[in-house]
Amino acid sequence: DQQVKQNSPSLSVQEGRISILNCDYTNSMFDYFLWYKKYPAEGPTFLISISSIKDKNEDGRFTVFLNKSAKHLSLHIVPSQPGDSAVYFCAATSYDKVIFGPGTSLSVIP
Amino acid sequence: KAGVTQTPRYLIKTRGQQVTLSCSPISGHRSVSWYQQTPGQGLQFLFEYFSETQRNKGNFPGRFSGRQFSNSRSEMNVSTLELGDSALYLCASSSGQYQETQYFGPGTRLLVL
Repeated sequence: DQQVKQNSPSLSVQEGRISILNCDYTNSMFDYFLWYKKYPAEGPTFLISISSIKDKNEDGRFTVFLNKSAKHLSLHIVPSQPGDSAVYFCAATSYDKVIFGPGTSLSVIP
Repeated sequence: KAGVTQTPRYLIKTRGQQVTLSCSPISGHRSVSWYQQTPGQGLQFLFEYFSETQRNKGNFPGRFSGRQFSNSRSEMNVSTLELGDSALYLCASSSGQYQETQYFGPGTRLLVL
């Protein structure tokens, strides 16, 4: 049973537009959430995180929104750039575990 | 600081063999976690070592084992390899404190024939 879900395996967006990547989780014990970006043949790199006591965190073009009641978070990338094309993983943590979602492959079309 | 390093980067083995992968964390980091990434299953947690002790463990069979040395370097061993073990194996290091960001290495791509 997947505790962290990313229901869209892939997403295509035009350059300059907004990319919205979604993530759902089932365990209410998760209290910290992270987004990682992964290029082929490289390890994931940390993008942005959010604590469960917040509902929004912004860092440059990247904003993460958390809706605790819906157990849903989303990553917004504005404006999207071709270099953003990668696989995006969301991860949820509690004290003793880090669970990753299956990833969403984002393609930003020039 | 130098990043997380993993060796080897690529490896080809045959069924039934065993393999040992190595991970050197960022200097000062005491936690090393191992993950398996496959196209179908995404990133799956194998285990975490902190100060030479296994602190957490995922749902993998006993063929997957690991250890951590006093300098925080970690090794992962897979015995009696199966075709399904073909994957990218990633290690990630962190300070080990709660909610601390993990930093990933480039991974070791293992192909089992």
